[in-house]
Amino acid sequence: DAGVIQSPRHEVTEMGQEVTLRCKPISGHNSLFWYRQTMMRGLELLIYFNNNVPIDDSGMPEDRFSAKMPNASFSTLKIQPSEPRDSAVYFCASSLGWSSYNSPLHFGNGTRLTVT
Amino acid sequence: GENVEQHPSTLSVQEGDSAVIKCTYSDSASNYFPWYKQELGKRPQLIIDIRSNVGEKKDQRIAVTLNKTAKHFSLHITETQPEDSAVYFCAASRRGNTGKLIFGQGTTLQVKP
Repeated sequence: DAGVIQSPRHEVTEMGQEVTLRCKPISGHNSLFWYRQTMMRGLELLIYFNNNVPIDDSGMPEDRFSAKMPNASFSTLKIQPSEPRDSAVYFCASSLGWSSYNSPLHFGNGTRLTVT
Repeated sequence: GENVEQHPSTLSVQEGDSAVIKCTYSDSASNYFPWYKQELGKRPQLIIDIRSNVGEKKDQRIAVTLNKTAKHFSLHITETQPEDSAVYFCAASRRGNTGKLIFGQGTTLQVKP
């Protein structure tokens, strides 16, 4: 299995531009998570989906952030407009079950976003 | 909501020594506690996890202990090796909360040869 696949690996953009991060979960996994990692705040859960339905988006920092999961094999995280403070590594993760109690998270390699 | 505190933030040990990382959690309903290892520039990877129905779990040189009463759990690494150098994250979640893992701030472990 190729694991969780994220693209791009690196993204450099100017403030005000739209940024779209992409994720392909492991085939058969029905839960998908978006995390943001920074030195100051560590790993923050932004949003997660189960069976393509958003379950909890309370971690999404602002209305500038939005996420979609149109089907079981694809999700996007969009930032519009981007700001320098959005610079971070964004991880997508997937798990097999409804609850992490029985199914650990598998992380992708992350997208390093730099907003200048 | 759940809050997970992790200590220390950095830890330096000599090769062959033991390393211990401690976490406390706030939600008494939490019952799943995984540990992730993140090497520089790479993704976090699960190394061991424990559920609330057990107090200790071992996997070769790694062990995790859980004290539900005190709401803390610890990672123990024995006979450390340079390849153990990484950032370690603890996390907690409650059953039925649909996998909402809350992570600690991380511990940077350095194993000196």
